[in-house]
Amino acid sequence: DTEVTQTPKHLVMGMTNKKSLKCEQHMGHRAMYWYKQKAKKPPELMFVYSYEKLSINESVPSRFSPECPNSSLLNLHLHALQPEDSALYLCASSQADLGYGYTFGSGTRLTVV
Amino acid sequence: GIQVEQSPPDLILQEGANSTLRCNFSDSVNNLQWFHQNPWGQLINLFYIPSGTKQNGRLSATTVATERYSLLYISSSQTTDSGVYFCAVERDSWGKLQFGAGTQVVVTP
Repeated sequence: DTEVTQTPKHLVMGMTNKKSLKCEQHMGHRAMYWYKQKAKKPPELMFVYSYEKLSINESVPSRFSPECPNSSLLNLHLHALQPEDSALYLCASSQADLGYGYTFGSGTRLTVV
Repeated sequence: GIQVEQSPPDLILQEGANSTLRCNFSDSVNNLQWFHQNPWGQLINLFYIPSGTKQNGRLSATTVATERYSLLYISSSQTTDSGVYFCAVERDSWGKLQFGAGTQVVVTP
């Protein structure tokens, strides 16, 4: 079991649907991240939250909307996705300022139909 | 942006063999980490190693920051070592990791 919990583990959604991915950590980390990973490729950073504030947005399309309700929770709201958005979405957390203790969740496998 | 190159891209080992994976990076970095992604997609942090040498069981890593490379050693490999090994560096913004393409390792019984 990892200390970063992601739900759901699998998600199939239509292009007109709205869904949310959820991530939770209880390690006291103040930095949280969303990554996207396509098959046979390395993870690519999407968003960074530091002390509950969005600090990095890697030019991600607006159909992906992150939210950090508190220091333990991170959400990714999905709307009007395209089939090419199908991927493994990984949440991670770490100590802020140093990037130490980087811990990934087990991911959500998203399929857009 | 910074370039991160890993070699070899693929590695097939017989159980019990030793191996070395390499990560080269094109510019100075604040931080370097090694991760293992198992066949089910779980990424595990192996080492936080901006410089020097660390050991954890059968795994060890060395980063020579002045020469811009890091090495990951796997000794007495086991089938559970199979998966993809990623090197990731942080340069411009803390926490913003740039991953290499990875080394796919298969350990056969």
